[in-house]
Amino acid sequence: SQQGEEDPQALSIQEGENATMNCSYKTSINNLQWYRQNSGRGLVHLILIRSNEREKHSGRLRVTLDTSKKSSSLLITASRAADTASYFCATEETSGSRLTFGEGTQLTVNP
Amino acid sequence: NAGVTQTPKFRVLKTGQSMTLLCAQDMNHEYMYWYRQDPGMGLRLIHYSVGEGTTAKGEVPDGYNVSRLKKQNFLLGLESAAPSQTSVYFCASLQYTEAFFGQGTRLTVV
Repeated sequence: SQQGEEDPQALSIQEGENATMNCSYKTSINNLQWYRQNSGRGLVHLILIRSNEREKHSGRLRVTLDTSKKSSSLLITASRAADTASYFCATEETSGSRLTFGEGTQLTVNP
Repeated sequence: NAGVTQTPKFRVLKTGQSMTLLCAQDMNHEYMYWYRQDPGMGLRLIHYSVGEGTTAKGEVPDGYNVSRLKKQNFLLGLESAAPSQTSVYFCASLQYTEAFFGQGTRLTVV
């Protein structure tokens, strides 16, 4: 089974609203990353949070990490239609160099 | 600086045929990964490599082989393709923290 699980699987919001996606994982990690994938394209790195960090910001992105609950959330504020994409969390495990991904959240931002 | 380049971009195979997917990176990254992505799903790790001459199994390695003879190249082989291997294949390289992805190879096995 995959390391990360995201919820919700799909999220539809209006432009200007905030979007929150959650990720849970199973093993000990060095860091957790969030990626974005536009339809039919490769993944693009958005933000990374290390296991000793609790919160990180980058522009309209805010990521939190709770290692005790093995969970993370990605908040996109003031969403735009261009934010429409799939968002994946990925974890780099402490036990090796595996980078494993969750199943993703499909975000649709309606103009 | 091309980043990560995958070839080919599209391929149709008949059941039982073999093929090799090539991933090339020009960023001198140590770690490289092969994933498959099926419709509506996330990426599943097939094999990965932590350096030249090394390979390791991921979550779904059966039916695939890999080689990393040169640091910049990571090859994924299908010895006898099956319809279940119809998928989009992504290669990625990683240095320290951020993974860089190729644009994918869409493989159909009929």
